[in-house]
Amino acid sequence: DVKVTQSSRYLVKRTGEKVFLECVQDMDHENMFWYRQDPGLGLRLIYFSYDVKMKEKGDIPEGYSVSREKKERFSLILESASTNQTSMYLCASSTAGRIHYEQYFGPGTRLTVT
Amino acid sequence: DQQVKQNSPSLSVQEGRISILNCDYTNSMFDYFLWYKKYPAEGPTFLISISSIKDKNEDGRFTVFLNKSAKHLSLHIVPSQPGDSAVYFCAASAQIQGTYKYIFGTGTRLKVLA
Repeated sequence: DVKVTQSSRYLVKRTGEKVFLECVQDMDHENMFWYRQDPGLGLRLIYFSYDVKMKEKGDIPEGYSVSREKKERFSLILESASTNQTSMYLCASSTAGRIHYEQYFGPGTRLTVT
Repeated sequence: DQQVKQNSPSLSVQEGRISILNCDYTNSMFDYFLWYKKYPAEGPTFLISISSIKDKNEDGRFTVFLNKSAKHLSLHIVPSQPGDSAVYFCAASAQIQGTYKYIFGTGTRLKVLA
């Protein structure tokens, strides 16, 4: 069974803190993605990675960075958290050669920045 | 600039009847379209997809129709069941000018009434 896990379901951080969101998949997928979901805006792509140590900016990369040191793990980093980064963060993965096709999502991390 | 739009934020349907969820897109370069279903406190799960070379794809109770000239796709659920109550996202993907695009709509909340 396909599995994408995210390190926390709920997270509360203070403005200015450095925040790490971790995602692990056990499907040996090459592609991994980070999205944020906000009411009325749907899911927006922050960053994606198609291989270890490779990354590409999505539509809203400002204020975020990512790290992919191992195939199964993709980390989203908020260098200095701000209140407008309060959101639901979703990680996803997909197989190589199917970057346009279906993605498998984790349960999400609801981040609140105060 | 919302390239993928779901103009109905919510829809209520009686159990056993047909549910029709709509999605419009603006960029004719999108060549693959997907529908995802999302329950509360869970990540989206892939439901059904269609390539731009087709106009219909069917999987059990779910059928997706694509009208390229109108830049419109729809998801039909027949018959609707209470367990179908969820938020449905359409997504469109393409490689545009060397950049990967995977754009989600804002979602439609479907409620199937028993």
